[in-house]
Amino acid sequence: DSGVTQTPKHLITATGQRVTLRCSPRSGDLSVYWYQQSLDQGLQFLIQYYNGEERAKGNILERFSAQQFPDLHSELNLSSLELGDSALYFCASSLPWEGGYTFGSGTRLTVV
Amino acid sequence: DAKTTQPNSMESNEEEPVHLPCNHSTISGTDYIHWYRQLPSQGPEYVIHGLTSNVNNRMASLAIAEDRKSSTLILHRATLRDAAVYYCILRDGRGSNYKLTFGKGTLLTVNP
Repeated sequence: DSGVTQTPKHLITATGQRVTLRCSPRSGDLSVYWYQQSLDQGLQFLIQYYNGEERAKGNILERFSAQQFPDLHSELNLSSLELGDSALYFCASSLPWEGGYTFGSGTRLTVV
Repeated sequence: DAKTTQPNSMESNEEEPVHLPCNHSTISGTDYIHWYRQLPSQGPEYVIHGLTSNVNNRMASLAIAEDRKSSTLILHRATLRDAAVYYCILRDGRGSNYKLTFGKGTLLTVNP
């Protein structure tokens, strides 16, 4: 157990639907990061939150949004799902300064 | 983001040392060198990081060139469980925007 908890582990849904992925960071970590990993794209950075505020944005589609709540857990919302959104979605957390990141075990999303 | 260059793949034998190289010729003075690895179907795992001096931990050693334009991750005795994709990443230590940008990494194969 890395200390970063992601739920659900697996999700199967139909095109056009909306899903929410949840991440609880490691205790004490203020930053949360979301990554998408598909077979042909590798690990792509989506978005970072630091203590409730958005701090960095990567290649995140407009159909995707995220937020970090006062208890520091984060949710990634994916809407109008397409087949190409099928991927592993990882959450990571870190301390504010230069330490390492801790990744969760991921949510495998399958859009059918 | 400053970029890194790694070999696509490397092969090693069990119980032998492994030296995984990484070039980062455009590294800036505030960039930390991070190494992560990803086993099949798992989230990336932090291995080690450093700024200027060589670093050791229970997993590996990190040797950083004097000009910081290259580094080497050293696994002292490879095991079958070390077979993974290894990522060398530069992380800007300024501010609170600490996103990691993953490249393709090096696929390490460990032969019994």
